Amino acid sequence: SYDLTQPPSVSVSPGQTASITCSGDKLGDKYASWYQQKPGQSPVVVIYQDRKRPSGIPERFSGSNSGNTATLTISGTQDMDEADYYCQAWDSSSVVFGGGTKLIVL
Amino acid sequence: EVQLVQSGGGLVQPGGSLRLSCTASGFTSSSYAMIWVRQAPGKGLEWVSYISTGGNTIYYTDSMKGRFTISRDNAKNSLYLQMNSLRSEDTAVYYCARIVGETNWFDPWGQGTLVTVSS
Repeated sequence: SYDLTQPPSVSVSPGQTASITCSGDKLGDKYASWYQQKPGQSPVVVIYQDRKRPSGIPERFSGSNSGNTATLTISGTQDMDEADYYCQAWDSSSVVFGGGTKLIVL
Repeated sequence: EVQLVQSGGGLVQPGGSLRLSCTASGFTSSSYAMIWVRQAPGKGLEWVSYISTGGNTIYYTDSMKGRFTISRDNAKNSLYLQMNSLRSEDTAVYYCARIVGETNWFDPWGQGTLVTVSS
């Protein structure tokens, strides 16, 4: 089975840049999406097709994907960005999620 | 407004059955493939099942094959998940989501429904 690996947590100070990585074998050959989930809420897509932002998602969210690693970058992190983030890709006909990263803004 | 409204969760005994529903509004659900995803308490997201627009292509994650059945009724804008032979490890919040775009991302997600398997 295909696995996506994320760090359990990432800490960032307000106003700084946070980077969350997602690693998988030849992940760069697939498309990665990123989902934000706040406590008690449903996931919301923040990045799709590696680097595209849905309407309504702030410009401070950006993404990249190359080689074995996809990266979600949040520039000028705000308190409201504290949440769990999940990367996702398709492996053939299966949906694969990373284990999730808790972004701590402190 | 594009949204998915879920129903059907609750408490069930081990070995029991439950059917979850997901009703779409604000868009023509028959034009979109759909998925179910679950999240055990304090854990990450786990894909459960996929169904194509017409319902003729279906996939499951291995651990749920033979116990869970995904289906849809496009006339009712509804998606279903029939869960049989439930185990304690099936306890989770279950989400439905619409698959969109050329690269198949998920938006929106339903509000989630809690399934608790316990005696």
